[in-house]
Amino acid sequence: QLQLQESGPGPVKPSETLSLTCTVAGASISSNSYYWGWIRQPPGKGLEWIGTIYYSGSTYYNPSLKSRVTISVDKSKNQFSLKLSSVTAADTAVYYCAKHRSGDGYNPSFDYWGQGTLVTVSS
Amino acid sequence: QSVLTQPPSASGTPGQRVTISCSGSSSNIGNSFVFWYQQLPGTAPKLLIYRNNQRPSGVPDRFSGSKSGTSASLAISGLRSEDEADYYCATWDDSLSVFGGGTKLTVL
Repeated sequence: QLQLQESGPGPVKPSETLSLTCTVAGASISSNSYYWGWIRQPPGKGLEWIGTIYYSGSTYYNPSLKSRVTISVDKSKNQFSLKLSSVTAADTAVYYCAKHRSGDGYNPSFDYWGQGTLVTVSS
Repeated sequence: QSVLTQPPSASGTPGQRVTISCSGSSSNIGNSFVFWYQQLPGTAPKLLIYRNNQRPSGVPDRFSGSKSGTSASLAISGLRSEDEADYYCATWDDSLSVFGGGTKLTVL
């Protein structure tokens, strides 16, 4: 059974960099069938796609966040990571990592999700 | 303000059929597959429909999706209390994935 789990250091101060890791269990992140993504949801609001990475390292970012986002893969640890720089209170959200459904490429077809982690940006 | 427009709320009584609409444009729904998600309170979203009208394994056939032109719809038949949740449509728009604003479904 495939499982994803987000982890991170906790609250982040304004202007700092938010860093999260998604650990994948039950599947190899190096599989050429899978794309992996990050999605966020501000409290009480809707979903926003942040970006997606393929095992090869190819990335696709939301243009509205592209200048601040880096998504990377660590094949040795079966993890992928998110870094979001220069955060503000508007970046406070539940952050989810997810797997794209095999065969749908980088379309927003996420069939497995982590439980989500709330990241609060506050001084 | 999402490029995909959903009604903020919908409601129905047990056993009824309800539909949730998702309106877009030629650059998104008109040119891409549509996906639907169900989000129960306090949980991660769950994929309900992929490629406009396909159901993942385990999703009841009470849930169905359709697409016509630049709009899509999610239909739920035989409404049940456990269907009370937020529903989101999603698609690819030129160079990014986009979600609708979400529809809160209330089972009366």
